[in-house]
Amino acid sequence: QLQLQESGPGLVKPSETLSLTCLVSGGSITSTPYYSNWVRQPPGKGLEWIGTVYSSGTSYCNPSLKSRVTLSVDTSNNQFSLNLRSVTAADTAVYYCARAIVATNTWFDPWGQGILVTVSS
Amino acid sequence: QSVLTQPPSVSGAPGQRVTISCNGSTSNIGAGYDVHWYQHLPETAPKLLIFGDNIRPSGVPDRFSGSKSGTSASLAITGLQADDEADYFCQSYDSSLNSFVFGPGTKVTAL
Repeated sequence: QLQLQESGPGLVKPSETLSLTCLVSGGSITSTPYYSNWVRQPPGKGLEWIGTVYSSGTSYCNPSLKSRVTLSVDTSNNQFSLNLRSVTAADTAVYYCARAIVATNTWFDPWGQGILVTVSS
Repeated sequence: QSVLTQPPSVSGAPGQRVTISCNGSTSNIGAGYDVHWYQHLPETAPKLLIFGDNIRPSGVPDRFSGSKSGTSASLAITGLQADDEADYFCQSYDSSLNSFVFGPGTKVTAL
């Protein structure tokens, strides 16, 4: 059974870079036809798709975040990562990683448990 | 503000049927993009409940069903149980935003 687990610092200072990793177990990150995703939920708000990364390293991001986001894949360690630059308090959220089938009509399954990241000095 | 809208909360007595609406527009649900539904309990991983508008993954009880018409979709829960108390949110794709989009979530309460 595929499982995903987010890891990273729970506190990041404003203007710094938020870096998270998602470790995939129970299956290979290179399995086709799947790709890896990041989704976040600010406190009291709805979910927001951050971006998608293929095992090849090709990535697509939410246009609203694209200028600050870098997604990458480490196939040797079966994990993928998110870097979000120049964070502000508005980036405080629970960050989830999730797998999806490669398709525009895709859905996210499974998800990680999520990690709360707070942006504060 | 979410592109997809949902009621903040719905409630019903155990055993009753409740429905959750997910309203979109001509650039997402109305454009024919599939709607998917998730169940989310606090501090747990969201769980896929319905994909492709009305398909239940293996293991999801048939008390949960999905439908879509025009620019809206609905999730129905029949025979409401206490264990169904959770947040439920819908998801689709929006061609104007070039982005996957989510509803804000609906809290279901069994009275």
